[in-house]
Amino acid sequence: EAGVAQSPRYKIIEKRQSVAFWCNPISGHATLYWYQQILGQGPKLLIQFQNNGVVDDSQLPKDRFSAERLKGVDSTLKIQPAKLEDSAVYLCASSRLAGAGELFFGEGSRLTVL
Amino acid sequence: GDSVTQMEGPVTLSEEAFLTINCTYTATGYPSLFWYVQYPGEGLQLLLKATKADDKGSNKGFEATYRKETTSFHLEKGSVQVSDSAVYFCALSENTGTASKLTFGTGTRLQVTL
Repeated sequence: EAGVAQSPRYKIIEKRQSVAFWCNPISGHATLYWYQQILGQGPKLLIQFQNNGVVDDSQLPKDRFSAERLKGVDSTLKIQPAKLEDSAVYLCASSRLAGAGELFFGEGSRLTVL
Repeated sequence: GDSVTQMEGPVTLSEEAFLTINCTYTATGYPSLFWYVQYPGEGLQLLLKATKADDKGSNKGFEATYRKETTSFHLEKGSVQVSDSAVYFCALSENTGTASKLTFGTGTRLQVTL
């Protein structure tokens, strides 16, 4: 079974530029999550999708972050404009069912904002 | 809100030593509890879980018992190996309808030496 795929693995941008991250979850997994992991901290949930609908985006900074999951499969997370404090690893995870608790994570996309 | 507190790292042990990583939590309901592990260069993966009080999760020689009275879920292993070197995250999940997000601790880095 293929795991959660993310790209790009690394991205370096200047502040005020934009960036997009892509995630392909495990086939058949209805729930998709984006987490932000700042160095030295635990992952923090940004947004959760159930199929192609948003379940929880309460911690997503909506003035600069956006995410979509078209057709309930792949997802894209965008940051525009980026700030220095957005430097982090962006983790995508998926699970078969909401409430199952076991999330499968990708390797993450490391963003550095200069 | 929900929160997880883990002991500070890094933890450095010699091979075959006993490991304990402390984890305590705050939650309004009856959460499920998890330990995730992140090996160097890899994504987060589930190590073990417990879904109700007094349950013991175990995997790869690691164990943790869900203690409701002390709101704890400490990770233990009787004899660590160099290959156990990784970052360990304690997490909880409160199931609320279709939403099931994980709240993570800050992680504890374990380094095992020969």
